[in-house]
Amino acid sequence: DVKVTQSSRYLVKRTGEKVFLECVQDMDHENMFWYRQDPGLGLRLIYFSYDVKMKEKGDIPEGYSVSREKKERFSLILESASTNQTSMYLCASVDSIETQYFGPGTRLLVL
Amino acid sequence: AQSVAQPEDQVNVAEGNPLTVKCTYSVSGNPYLFWYVQYPNRGLQFLLKYITGDNLVKGSYGFEAEFNKSQTSFHLKKPSALVSDSALYFCAVRDMGDGNNRLAFGKGNQVVVIP
Repeated sequence: DVKVTQSSRYLVKRTGEKVFLECVQDMDHENMFWYRQDPGLGLRLIYFSYDVKMKEKGDIPEGYSVSREKKERFSLILESASTNQTSMYLCASVDSIETQYFGPGTRLLVL
Repeated sequence: AQSVAQPEDQVNVAEGNPLTVKCTYSVSGNPYLFWYVQYPNRGLQFLLKYITGDNLVKGSYGFEAEFNKSQTSFHLKKPSALVSDSALYFCAVRDMGDGNNRLAFGKGNQVVVIP
């Protein structure tokens, strides 16, 4: 079975802090994605990566950056956290037949 | 760009009754279509997908979905709902006529199965 893990289930941070969210997959998938989920808005794509050191902006990249130094790990960085970044963050990796597999999510609260 | 509409915010159904969750999509090329389910405080779990072939797709937990090209729909169905089916359901589409490998997700449908 594909396993996608995220470093934290719950995080509480203060405004202005730098926040790292990490995602690891164990199936050698090339494509990985970061989404945020907000009630009534569904999933919105922040960034994705189709290979090591490659990244592309999604629909809402402002205030975020990403890092992919190794194939199995895709990190989302909030350079200076703000209260409007309080959300559920979901990571996914994609297999060769297009199915996305999701991690359990990180619920981030920015105070 | 691809998009998905899930017209109902919440679907209420009595246990044992048929369950239908609606999804329509918009793409410029051929679609790949997906359904995911999310239980409280969990990530999304894959239920089923349509890539090509038979319009009726069977998936996990007794769910199925029918691809209808003329109506651009991919409704999720289950013949007999269980209380444990209460969850948030997302429809998603990838546009194979587009150059990217992104999915567009709908806003989600909350399904409540009443005992």
